[in-house]
Amino acid sequence: DGGITQSPKYLFRKEGQNVTLSCEQNLNHDAMYWYRQDPGQGLRLIYYSQIVNDFQKGDIAEGYSVSREKKESFPLTVTSAQKNPTAFYLCASSNRRGESPLHFGNGTRLTVT
Amino acid sequence: GENVEQHPSTLSVQEGDSAVIKCTYSDSASNYFPWYKQELGKRPQLIIDIRSNVGEKKDQRIAVTLNKTAKHFSLHITETQPEDSAVYFCAAKGTSYGKLTFGQGTILTVHP
Repeated sequence: DGGITQSPKYLFRKEGQNVTLSCEQNLNHDAMYWYRQDPGQGLRLIYYSQIVNDFQKGDIAEGYSVSREKKESFPLTVTSAQKNPTAFYLCASSNRRGESPLHFGNGTRLTVT
Repeated sequence: GENVEQHPSTLSVQEGDSAVIKCTYSDSASNYFPWYKQELGKRPQLIIDIRSNVGEKKDQRIAVTLNKTAKHFSLHITETQPEDSAVYFCAAKGTSYGKLTFGQGTILTVHP
């Protein structure tokens, strides 16, 4: 859908385990983003990457890590240090300096028990 | 950093009425303001956007207005239909490269 694929759609993990969410895009976009969505709080930026091998922390990066080894891939690892990991995670990409729209993936709903 | 406030959090209208959602932003250097619609269980999708050199933009039943002096922008939906029911998010691009800050979202319900 829309050139951005997130997998899996639903993910269940036990507390204390690290988990990696996949995000792949075939839109040839330079920039990629990870957002977290919680009810009533909108979309909050976790990490973003403007080019390969470079990424920056967003507003809520604690407990998360990312890598950008390829232009089309931007995986997000939710570590055991993240205190409230249960959420809906959205990956997005854009093709220019932030003045072009974000294209979102369908999201991954992570549940940690 | 940029801060975006969105109101109201919920909005209920009758089919055919107009709906208005308002957002304020804090960074006077912000120059790009998109609006996204998210239907239940689906990804957010861009419905309209406006740049800081424009005061108003319209696309069929949807319009966005921008007041740079007051640092607020609004989404206007006319002749609402039940399929307009969704969560709407405003966003603003501040001075950070490529970084959009989103509002908290508005749940719009259009009753037939």
